[in-house]
This record gives sequence, structure tokens and C-alpha cells, in this order.
Amino acid sequence: EADIYQTPRYLVIGTGKKITLECSQTMGHDKMYWYQQDPGMELHLIHYSYGVNSTEKGDLSSESTVSRIRTEHFPLTLESARPSHTSQYLCASSGGQVRSIVETQYFGPGTRLLVL
Amino acid sequence: KNQVEQSPQSLIILEGKNCTLQCNYTVSPFSNLRWYKQDTGRGPVSLTIMTFSENTKSNGRYTATLDADTKQSSLHITASQLSDSASYICVVSDRGSTLGRLYFGRGTQLTVWP
Repeated sequence: EADIYQTPRYLVIGTGKKITLECSQTMGHDKMYWYQQDPGMELHLIHYSYGVNSTEKGDLSSESTVSRIRTEHFPLTLESARPSHTSQYLCASSGGQVRSIVETQYFGPGTRLLVL
Repeated sequence: KNQVEQSPQSLIILEGKNCTLQCNYTVSPFSNLRWYKQDTGRGPVSLTIMTFSENTKSNGRYTATLDADTKQSSLHITASQLSDSASYICVVSDRGSTLGRLYFGRGTQLTVWP
């Protein structure tokens, strides 16, 4: 079982509200990622970080923002939620002290967001 | 067009039976291919990872095969159990671990009936 946690697991919120999805990992991984997944569809990378103070946008354009002030923490923020943001958001991490040619990404349980 | 295509989209089998899931990809260059299992409402969990030089890898009742020439992979599940009900996702990476981009399939939804 991977030591990566996401809160809240479920969130129902009204349009225009600011929300922050939390993600933390205790594996000492340097890389962290945020994915968006709609039912029956593939995961889309929206943000990633290779270390503290490093953040990059992913393949899928997203109105969300992220920060990486601490290695273990990678929160995602939506300043003004809209119904189009309704989706499942998955956080993942990889890396650590043991370097490998092939790294496994460990996923959190996800946050299901519903914007009314 | 998605560069990782999985089939079938969904599959229903009886407990104890075997099944095979397919993954075709067009990702190039190729670095490695992973199979993940995603239970409903959970994040994906890695089952197997295969690099270019590997053509089969097992993890308990799960056996993955890779044909890098035809760009095909399969995941074979032996003696299925109810707990195997999940979505199985094929993921292909185009380069090494630190720089490689991951391409995700849409998954095969497997349902195992008693």
C-alpha cells in the first residue's frame, strides 16, 4: 500500500468557490503529479513537480494552480470552481533515494469533485 | 487519437475463469509499458512494468506480455476472483523515468461474477 494521501475524498461545492485539494506523501519522493480522470476516460496530466519550488503544467490545460513548498506536500487550488471542473483528481508521486531506470508512480485514492 | 488503445472496453467473466486484456500502442520512442489495476473509487496500483528487452512478466495470477515489434501487450488473469473486478489500465512511457511522458489507455473494465 502506497503512503500517499489525498483529502478530501469527496467534495460537493457551489460555483465560484475557492477550493484546495490536498496531497501528501511520506515516501520521500521528489516527483509529484496531478491527474484528472473522467469516467471511462484516460488519465490526463495537469501538473507535475520535480522537487521543491518546481512546478510545471501538464498536457491538459487546467485552470488550477499548484505549489510545492515542502517535498511531501503538493496541493492543488481552484480559485473559482465551475461545473466543468467536476471530475476525479488523482495525485501521484515517484522517485526517492533509490534511482531506477524505470520509476513507478504511486497514486493516492483520489478526490471526487462535484461543482454545482 | 489516443496513442494507447485497449480492448475490450469492458468484460464480464465468471469467477475461476481466465481472461486476456489487450493493449496496442503507437508511442515512439518506447521506453516501458505498465499495467495498473484501478479499483472503483481508488487510485491505480501498479501490477507490472516491462522494458523493451522484456517480453513477459508475472505478478501472482497476473501475467503481462510485450511484443515491442508489433507494439502489442496483453494482460492475462488466471483463475479470476471477485476481487479482480476493476479497471485495468495500460500505460506506455516514451523515455527514461525522469523525462518520459506517460500515455494512458482508457482501461478495460473487468467484472467477475460469482
